[in-house]
Amino acid sequence: DIQMTQSPSSLSASIGDRVSITCRASVSVTTFLNWYQQSPGKAPKLLIYAASRLQSGVPSRFTGSGSGTDFTLTINGLQPDDLATYYCQQSSSTPTTFGGGTKVEI
Amino acid sequence: EVQLVEAGGGLIQPGGSLRLSCATSGFTFSSYAMNWVRQAPGKGLEWVAYISSSGHTIYYADSVKGRFTMSRDSAENSVYLQMSSLRVEDTATYYCARDDYYSHDAFDVWGQGTMVTVSS
Repeated sequence: DIQMTQSPSSLSASIGDRVSITCRASVSVTTFLNWYQQSPGKAPKLLIYAASRLQSGVPSRFTGSGSGTDFTLTINGLQPDDLATYYCQQSSSTPTTFGGGTKVEI
Repeated sequence: EVQLVEAGGGLIQPGGSLRLSCATSGFTFSSYAMNWVRQAPGKGLEWVAYISSSGHTIYYADSVKGRFTMSRDSAENSVYLQMSSLRVEDTATYYCARDDYYSHDAFDVWGQGTMVTVSS
């Protein structure tokens, strides 16, 4: 199975800050890398698919980059609604696997 | 509106069985693969099972293989997860999620989840 490692596991930032979360795959997943946001008590929500493509309806302050084994989710201008845990997921091979999550506190 | 609604969770004793359902609406059900994903209390996301759009291909996580069975019913626009030989470690919120082939198999729609508690 492909292991997905996220860092940091948690972070604290202020409104308006630029926040970056990294995700590393144990082998190349090319661009089969997706990012999800899970707000407290809610289901996960797709933010970014194919490493850098913004899901419809997601604010443009969320950007994704990377390919191969190293990926980054960046939030440009943190907002109160961004309080959540963020997960990366590889969909390159079965079983699909998720990173351990990054909790963003404001 | 695209919607997934899970049901069937509850409290069950170890060794027992439970059947979860996920009713879908707002999209062409037969065109999409579906997944079950679970989340133990305070923990991360764990993929559980996948079923192709035709129902002919099904995959399971090693942790549930041989105990869980995923199926789909096109007449009901629903997917199911039959869980047997339940263990304490199966305690989690279970989500169904739509698999979008055209988005690199990202899970683009999720249900609200149903909680399964396995305890004596």
